[in-house]
Amino acid sequence: KQEVTQIPAALSVPEGENLVLNCSFTDSAIYNLQWFRQDPGKGLTSLLLIQSSQREQTSGRLNASLDKSSGRSTLYIAASQPGDSATYLCAVTGGTSYGKLTFGQGTILTVHP
Amino acid sequence: GAVVSQHPSWVICKSGTSVKIECRSLDFQATTMFWYRQFPKQSLMLMATSNEGSKATYEQGVEKDKFLINHASLTLSTLTVTSAHPEDSSFYICTSPDSEGLGTQYFGPGTRLTVL
Repeated sequence: KQEVTQIPAALSVPEGENLVLNCSFTDSAIYNLQWFRQDPGKGLTSLLLIQSSQREQTSGRLNASLDKSSGRSTLYIAASQPGDSATYLCAVTGGTSYGKLTFGQGTILTVHP
Repeated sequence: GAVVSQHPSWVICKSGTSVKIECRSLDFQATTMFWYRQFPKQSLMLMATSNEGSKATYEQGVEKDKFLINHASLTLSTLTVTSAHPEDSSFYICTSPDSEGLGTQYFGPGTRLTVL
């Protein structure tokens, strides 16, 4: 059974800092890995999707890496801003493109001015 | 991109009543729909997988007689919480994978259910 773990559970940083969120998964037979953002009481916003054959994806100040063999991914956020404050969720898709998602517990990020 | 609408966005009901949540794919055919729930301060957990025209597959620990899923058309899947109780209060989200094999999932905006 796939298990996804995110570290740290919560993170508080001053504005402007670069930060790294970690995600690990137990079964390397994944189709892809995604990072999502969730604001309080809201749904999910997809940030980055990395296919299993890829090593990283970038979007603006966000960079996600994937090491499938070791079961790890990191989300790097550059020059953090208060608007980045949210819960960040990592999820892996099972072995096919139509597979179910297994989510981590999330990292609650607070960026203070 | 593809859009999944979800209705209602929030609902408050009395214990013992049934609540129906609808997910519609607006511009694509959703052959498969996944239903997740998220309890406060927890992550999303898969409840069931529904495929158009067939019975849903439920995850371990999810009562199929309590959470009725219907996927009668390629654009509509419904989740009915029967005889809801306060412990069913949760955030329910549907998602459908794209049909082109890209591995993208299209999420509904979610439904916040509060059972009094």
